[in-house]
Parts: sequence; C-alpha cells; structure tokens
Amino acid sequence: DTGVSQNPRHKITKRGQNVTFRCDPISEHNRLYWYRQTLGQGPEFLTYFQNEAQLEKSRLLSDRFSAERPKGSFSTLEIQRTEQGDSAMYLCASSLPYWNTIYFGEGSWLTVV
Amino acid sequence: QKEVEQNSGPLSVPEGAIASLNCTYSDRGSQSFFWYRQYSGKSPELIMFIYSNGDKEDGRFTAQLNKASQYVSLLIRDSQPSDSATYLCAVNKGDNAGNMLTFGGGTRLMVKP
Repeated sequence: DTGVSQNPRHKITKRGQNVTFRCDPISEHNRLYWYRQTLGQGPEFLTYFQNEAQLEKSRLLSDRFSAERPKGSFSTLEIQRTEQGDSAMYLCASSLPYWNTIYFGEGSWLTVV
Repeated sequence: QKEVEQNSGPLSVPEGAIASLNCTYSDRGSQSFFWYRQYSGKSPELIMFIYSNGDKEDGRFTAQLNKASQYVSLLIRDSQPSDSATYLCAVNKGDNAGNMLTFGGGTRLMVKP
C-alpha cells in the first residue's frame, strides 16, 4: 500500500524561475488536492481535481499558479516567475469520492532565493 | 475572525497527563471535523474525525464536538513525549468544494518526561 508520493521533496530556485511539483495519489483515490503551508500556519487549500476535472481553482494564489491532472492519475503544480513569498511546503493529498478523509503526501519544500 | 481558530501554544503537559486541545470554528454549516498531527518538518497525518455531537474515542485519543457552541476538542490521555507535535484542527463545510478542508493554525504540544 503506497501512500501519496510527491516529487521533488526539496527545491531551491532563484526568484523569477518556474518550478513544477508532481504528485502521485493513492491508486484508488480519484480526488486529488493541493495545499500550501507556510511556517507557523495550517495548510491552505489551493485546488482540487476529481479524475481529470479541476473542480475548484478559485483559491489558487495568483495566475502564476496552475495545476493539471491530464489523465486523472498524477498531477502537477506549476509556479511561474517565482517570488520569495512562494517559499513554503506544497502538500498534495488524495481521497476517495464521497468520503471526506484526505491523506497527505510528504510535501515538497520550495525555497526561493 | 479566522474560520478555524486554535491557540498556538505551546501547551506543556507532563508525561502521563491528559492533554486537552481546543478549536473553534465560525461557519455553522460545517459538517465534519478532523484532527491532524504534524511533527516538525513533516506533513500532517490524520488522527481522527468526528461528525456528530458528543465524544468519539480511538485509543488514547478522544474527539469532542459541540456544534451549538461551535467547538471541537481533542483529548490525549496518558500523554507521551512522542506526542509532542503540532495538532491541527480542520473543518469541512460540505459545500461544492469537494473535501476542501479549512485548517486552524495548529497548537504546539510539548510533553515533558
């Protein structure tokens, strides 16, 4: 039983560069979520997918953030033109449909220098 | 007013004592409530969830929900040093945003040997 997998685990990038994170959910889970967590705060919801459909994206922080899940399996979160304020842990989670318990991956740490 | 509020702590208890963690929420339409534990530098892991008013027990953990007063609490009996972590309260509104969870900022618990 593999859990939610995220890559890379750590990323250091220069301001203005683009970064992409990948998430592989638990295999039978068709809902996938992205959250962001900054130091001392709880996770903040960004977006979610049911299969390949992105059903909620209004919480994405700006138009520099985008997410895809083209085949309803893995998902990517891209941040364009990174800023220092984007430094955070980006968490992916997944769940079964109509069951509201979500399970988080180990997170991807982003540091923008 | 934050949607989900927690005292940031730290809450310090001696080993073997009962730790009591509290959380209040603002949306009366909230339907389900979750407690996650997060060790420093790690991702949140689910401890338990509760939907109905009253108590729900799971091992050393008891979640308590009072919808009229809009609070949820977590009791940890026989606290151990390994319980030292940040405890996150999360709320699901049951709206169209799937299983979107709104998190509090977390309470840091320190269990002293």
